[in-house]
Amino acid sequence: SQQGEEDPQALSIQEGENATMNCSYKTSINNLQWYRQNSGRGLVHLILIRSNEREKHSGRLRVTLDTSKKSSSLLITASRAADTASYFCATGITGANSKLTFGKGITLSVRP
Amino acid sequence: NAGVTQTPKFQVLKTGQSMTLQCAQDMNHEYMSWYRQDPGMGLRLIHYSVGAGITDQGEVPNGYNVSRSTTEDFPLRLLSAAPSQTSVYFCASSPGRKETQYFGPGTRLLVL
Repeated sequence: SQQGEEDPQALSIQEGENATMNCSYKTSINNLQWYRQNSGRGLVHLILIRSNEREKHSGRLRVTLDTSKKSSSLLITASRAADTASYFCATGITGANSKLTFGKGITLSVRP
Repeated sequence: NAGVTQTPKFQVLKTGQSMTLQCAQDMNHEYMSWYRQDPGMGLRLIHYSVGAGITDQGEVPNGYNVSRSTTEDFPLRLLSAAPSQTSVYFCASSPGRKETQYFGPGTRLLVL
């Protein structure tokens, strides 16, 4: 099964509302990252949170990490139509030879 | 700074044909990787490289070869294309295997 699993798979909200997306993982991590992918484009890095951090902010984005629950949340406040995209969490698993592992993504639709 | 570039953007192949997907980065990153993205499957790692002259297999390496003769370039070769290789291919570079990944715009491949 997937190391990083996002929830929900799809989310539809009205412009101006907040969007909350969750990611759960199974094994110990060094960091957790969130990426955005607009339709037909490559992934763009949004934010990286390390295992010793609990919360990070970047503009309208707020990411939390709870290592005891092995979960993370991405909150987008005051959403805009331009936030419509797929969002992926990626986990940097502990271990010298491990790599970044991506989840299957969440499709966010923001209605104008 | 062009970042990560990929060529071609779109390619149609017949079963059995071979081709090379090009990837280049100008950020002097040691770590480069190739992913394929299929509907409902998220991103799956094909091959990766931790530096010039060093490559290794990812999650789905069969049917693909890579080489890394320079820090900048990381081409992906399809030896004998199969319809199952129809996908969108992304190249990414990063300062380290678990650090922020910088993605190219992708190559959309259709194998008939």
